Amino acid sequence: AQSVAQPEDQVNVAEGNPLTVKCTYSVSGNPYLFWYVQYPNRGLQFLLKYITGDNLVKGSYGFEAEFNKSQTSFHLKKPSALVSDSALYFCAVRDGGYQKVTFGTGTKLQVIP
Amino acid sequence: NAGVTQTPKFQVLKTGQSMTLQCAQDMNHEYMSWYRQDPGMGLRLIHYSVGAGITDQGEVPNGYNVSRSTTEDFPLRLLSAAPSQTSVYFCASKPGRSSYNEQFFGPGTRLTVL
Repeated sequence: AQSVAQPEDQVNVAEGNPLTVKCTYSVSGNPYLFWYVQYPNRGLQFLLKYITGDNLVKGSYGFEAEFNKSQTSFHLKKPSALVSDSALYFCAVRDGGYQKVTFGTGTKLQVIP
Repeated sequence: NAGVTQTPKFQVLKTGQSMTLQCAQDMNHEYMSWYRQDPGMGLRLIHYSVGAGITDQGEVPNGYNVSRSTTEDFPLRLLSAAPSQTSVYFCASKPGRSSYNEQFFGPGTRLTVL
């Protein structure tokens, strides 16, 4: 069975500082990994994904994520946080060829002015 | 292009009542799914469909029915509402059946069962 863990319920970071939101996963086959963001009272929006290739993936709004196969991690990063980045972030994993996707429990990012 | 739309946005039901949550997409996506979002539990898959006439269960299907008669629509039916079904429900779709396509989410339906 596939699973994903987001170990931090909340991450606080000062505006302008780099941010990291952590995600680890478990799959039996090749992982397809996704990050989504949810603003208050809205649906989820896609940020970026890793399918294959370069371990550093760049996505929307200046976000990037690093795939680490040996540590089974896919941490979300941004060099300089904005107050507008404050939202709920979800990591998701899909076992290649398997239709179901599993979401993490979400990490609330609070960027402090 | 409206994307994924859901109706209603809010609903209050009494225990035992039935209702249908509507979901439609205008992107000609083959794959559609329903999730529920509960605090501390993330999103959990209820049912999904890989095309018209094809549906399958997710991880929390009990108490819910779905059908997919057209590519565009994927309604979720609550047969006999229970307080445990109080949640925010999201519909999502993605193009094709490939596992590496990202999903597009609707704005959600907030359901309260008294």
